[in-house]
Amino acid sequence: KQEVTQIPAALSVPEGENLVLNCSFTDSAIYNLQWFRQDPGKGLTSLLLIQSSQREQTSGRLNASLDKSSGRSTLYIAASQPGDSATYLCAAPDGYGQNFVFGPGTRLSVLP
Amino acid sequence: DARVTQTPRHKVTEMGQEVTMRCQPILGHNTVFWYRQTMMQGLELLAYFRNRAPLDDSGMPKDRFSAEMPDATLATLKIQPSEPRDSAVYFCASGLVQQDYGYTFGSGTRLTVV
Repeated sequence: KQEVTQIPAALSVPEGENLVLNCSFTDSAIYNLQWFRQDPGKGLTSLLLIQSSQREQTSGRLNASLDKSSGRSTLYIAASQPGDSATYLCAAPDGYGQNFVFGPGTRLSVLP
Repeated sequence: DARVTQTPRHKVTEMGQEVTMRCQPILGHNTVFWYRQTMMQGLELLAYFRNRAPLDDSGMPKDRFSAEMPDATLATLKIQPSEPRDSAVYFCASGLVQQDYGYTFGSGTRLTVV
């Protein structure tokens, strides 16, 4: 059964810093991995979807990488801004690829 | 932008009452998921459908929860009778399995059972 963990659980940084969020998964037989953002009291917004054939995916200041062999994905946020403050969740497919298993999230605070 | 629509956004009900939550998936998506989110448990999969057929509902308490897709534009999640421990945010998400896909989530229904 797929299990997803994320570290750190919470992170507080000053504005402008580059930062890395980590995601680990136990079943590496995945065909993609997705990163989401959740603002307090809101739903989940998809940020990046990385296919297993890709090693990374970029959108603006966000870059996500995927290393299936080590069971890890990282989300890199460049030049962080207060508007980036949110909880970031990664999700990996279960063994049969039928649904996604979510990590507990990293709660990010970017201080002005 | 295409979006997943959930209703109601908020629901407060008394213990023992029936609760029905609705979801309109994105047109053309053939897979629909129901998740529940709590502070303690995070996001938990309750059930999901592909082409309207239930594929997995092992995450649901079967004695009180039921999920259906009466047609391709509507998914429902019912709780009867509701209990205080059911208080959570319930999310619907849809996707398309035939291609390399990701999920699109609705805004959720915040349920409070008192």
